[in-house]
Amino acid sequence: SQQGEEDPQALSIQEGENATMNCSYKTSINNLQWYRQNSGRGLVHLILIRSNEREKHSGRLRVTLDTSKKSSSLLITASRAADTASYFCATDRGTGNQFYFGTGTSLTVIP
Amino acid sequence: GAVVSQHPSWVICKSGTSVKIECRSLDFQATTMFWYRQFPKQSLMLMATSNEGSKATYEQGVEKDKFLINHASLTLSTLTVTSAHPEDSSFYICSARVAGWETQYFGPGTRLLVL
Repeated sequence: SQQGEEDPQALSIQEGENATMNCSYKTSINNLQWYRQNSGRGLVHLILIRSNEREKHSGRLRVTLDTSKKSSSLLITASRAADTASYFCATDRGTGNQFYFGTGTSLTVIP
Repeated sequence: GAVVSQHPSWVICKSGTSVKIECRSLDFQATTMFWYRQFPKQSLMLMATSNEGSKATYEQGVEKDKFLINHASLTLSTLTVTSAHPEDSSFYICSARVAGWETQYFGPGTRLLVL
């Protein structure tokens, strides 16, 4: 990818379980954002975490950021079948406003 | 608010033809628009950054003569795939951003199939 890697590449869990996805990136960033993409569709913004933040919550989502390790994680608690999608992290380096996406994690939540 | 549309949503064309894809910000004026390409089961790759009224900035490895970008107004950017070939078949997604906003808003994508 242009920016970094995500793992796992694919994750399959039972409804109600928690799902954790990790993102590593290569350069210093201004902020990091997580997006969801349903199959063949556009991207939906989930959550943004700034470089001076370590953790953020939004509903069932929890994001952490470790700038020393250049990594972030997205936790989805109490997963639902509707959470089935691909999840991407995107980094904003703060120059030119470009986003660079990680490789993505394909999440399947089994009802 | 912050809705971005793309047209067409899918297009099939013959090899050698040119295809134009439109990206519009419907309820805001976008300072910058971005074009991405996504191959099946892969991530989004940034192709170019487009600022209204100026030439687009292309990412390394993206042919500017192949992928023509025009950002004629604060609400419209177009991507023209010239002399399309089967290897250009992909999902093309645009996004838009206002100066000072931290988030980009994405269009629904255009699926291009070149036969």
